[in-house]
Formats: sequence, C-alpha cells, structure tokens
Amino acid sequence: IQLTQSPSSLSASVGDRVSITCRASQGISSLLAWYQQKPGKAPKLLIYAASTLQSGVPSRFSGSGSGTDFTLTISSLQPEDFATYYCQQVNSYPLTFGGGTKVEIK
Amino acid sequence: EVHLVESGGGLVQPGGSLRLSCAASGFTFSNYWMSWVRQAPGKGLEWVANKKEDGSEEYYVDSVEGRFTISRDNAKNSLYLQMNSLRAEDTAVYYCARGPWPIFGMPNYFDYWGPGALVTVSS
Repeated sequence: IQLTQSPSSLSASVGDRVSITCRASQGISSLLAWYQQKPGKAPKLLIYAASTLQSGVPSRFSGSGSGTDFTLTISSLQPEDFATYYCQQVNSYPLTFGGGTKVEIK
Repeated sequence: EVHLVESGGGLVQPGGSLRLSCAASGFTFSNYWMSWVRQAPGKGLEWVANKKEDGSEEYYVDSVEGRFTISRDNAKNSLYLQMNSLRAEDTAVYYCARGPWPIFGMPNYFDYWGPGALVTVSS
C-alpha cells in the first residue's frame, strides 16, 4: 500500500493552522498513524487509529479520515512544531510510511 | 518508563555483515511485537522487519528478504537484526521500535523508539 503525503513541504508562521494530507493507494480502514520527527531524533507518535491523540501530545494536533484519505491538522502552529511529519499504515504488509512533509518557518 | 537502546552499528564493507541489538526495559517485552525501521541519510522512514511477541511470525520488506534476519530473546528483553550481504543502499540509521501490535488489544503502532544506530556500508 502506497501512502502519498501532500504537500512534501510547507512554510508557515507561528499561530497558523496547518493541514497535511495522506492518501492510501487502497483502503486501510482507520489503521493509520502520524509521527513527528525533528532533526537527529527518533520519530514520535502523535496520532494513532487515524484520529486518537497519543498520551501527552498537545490538543492542537488532530487527525481525521478513514479508508483512503487522511488529514493531520495543527490548529495553531507553535515554534516546537517545526519538524517533518510522516503517516504510516499497519493494515497490511509491507508496513509503509508516507514520504514525509517538512514544516518550515515562514 | 519505556526505554529502547540500539547498539552494534558501525562501518562495514559491501558484502559484509553486522548484527544490531536493541535492549528494552520498562515494559513486558514478551507482550509486544517488535520492529526495526531505518532511515537513509536525508530520506524518509522505511519499515524493515518485525517479529511477533512469541517469535512465531516475522515479516520483512522485500529489499532485505533473504539477507536480514530478525530475532528476539524474551528472557533478555532483547531484539536483534542480523544483516548479511550488506549493500551501499543499506546505509541508514536503524531504529528499534515497540509494536505495531501488543499481545492483546488494538494496535499500538510504533509508540516507543530507540535513539537509533548508524550503519554505514562503504569501502
């Protein structure tokens, strides 16, 4: 299953609302997660089961979607949110990640 | 607190072998699938392999099938990745991750990760 993220990069300002989409090449129900990765660090799980916030993750992060179309939204971008974001599916093998979306400071 | 720490990375020549280890603590290791995920320099994430909590199932990405072997020792709370016939394209940071499924219940995805171990394949 291919996961296509868009955009591949975006520039935004602190306080902006940001949305990243992830499209699966076939239906994956809600078996999708979102991760945040900062340079030189391991990824961090933000959202699982498409829309469930991982414990300790700020509520400005939210996820939606099912089937083939998914969205990660950051309601008000904070300085610590500038990072690369990946979607990932666990519906079937091989487990796959999207290509990533780099969120940069405008 | 859950901790995962990889070791065994380094520089190896093409065609060579390397064994990565992942030491786990802070949770019941034998209750979770465990995975290896890699990231080539400047590239995205790629799932490599995973192994069921009791060792009865394992899966690999096509590009490493037949060259890499994942194993685990539940008595030692450890995960391993034996990498043979290494190629330049295997150069990456290799992460150990918990998941994506616990022994019971819904998927936990990759909820904990180690800091990673760098493997460089070069002559």
